[in-house]
Amino acid sequence: AQKVTQAQTEISVVEKEDVTLDCVYETRDTTYYLFWYKQPPSGELVFLIRRNSFDEQNEISGRYSWNFQKSTSSFNFTITASQVVDSAVYFCALSDNYGQNFVFGPGTRLSVLP
Amino acid sequence: DAGITQSPRHKVTETGTPVTLRCHQTENHRYMYWYRQDPGHGLRLIHYSYGVKDTDKGEVSDGYSVSRSKTEDFLLTLESATSSQTSVYFCAISIEDNTGELFFGEGSRLTVL
Repeated sequence: AQKVTQAQTEISVVEKEDVTLDCVYETRDTTYYLFWYKQPPSGELVFLIRRNSFDEQNEISGRYSWNFQKSTSSFNFTITASQVVDSAVYFCALSDNYGQNFVFGPGTRLSVLP
Repeated sequence: DAGITQSPRHKVTETGTPVTLRCHQTENHRYMYWYRQDPGHGLRLIHYSYGVKDTDKGEVSDGYSVSRSKTEDFLLTLESATSSQTSVYFCAISIEDNTGELFFGEGSRLTVL
């Protein structure tokens, strides 16, 4: 069975600090997809990134970066120079190759204090 | 904007009553999903659909049924609502067949008294 673990329930940082959100996944599939979503206080769910299991290159998008390591089954998300607007719940998710098992982690609530 | 609308956005009902939530999309995407969101559990899949009249169960399907008679509409029904079904319900579509990212509706908050 597929499973996503986000061990950090809540994190608080002060603005401009860097913060890393951890995501560990379990799957027996060789082909799968990993995702991060953001849920700001307004409640909508916003897609951030998708990574397939054959692409282990790290990705950077502005202040956001993602570190995918198959050896440790982790897909961590780092926000550099955090801002108050980054305050949200962040979800890591895992999909099998057929999209029939799209599983989310429990989420990490990030609070960025001014 | 993936053109997803959910209705109703808010509903309060009593235990034992039937409830139907509607998800409507405007772009003819094949895959549609219903999730519920509860504190500490993240998003859990209830049911999903991979085409008209093609549906399957997710992780927490007990007490829920779905129907998809048209590509654009995916209905979630609680035949007899219980207090444990108080939750926020999200509809989602996959824009790249079945492995692309999910785009979510705005959510429907259901309270069962």
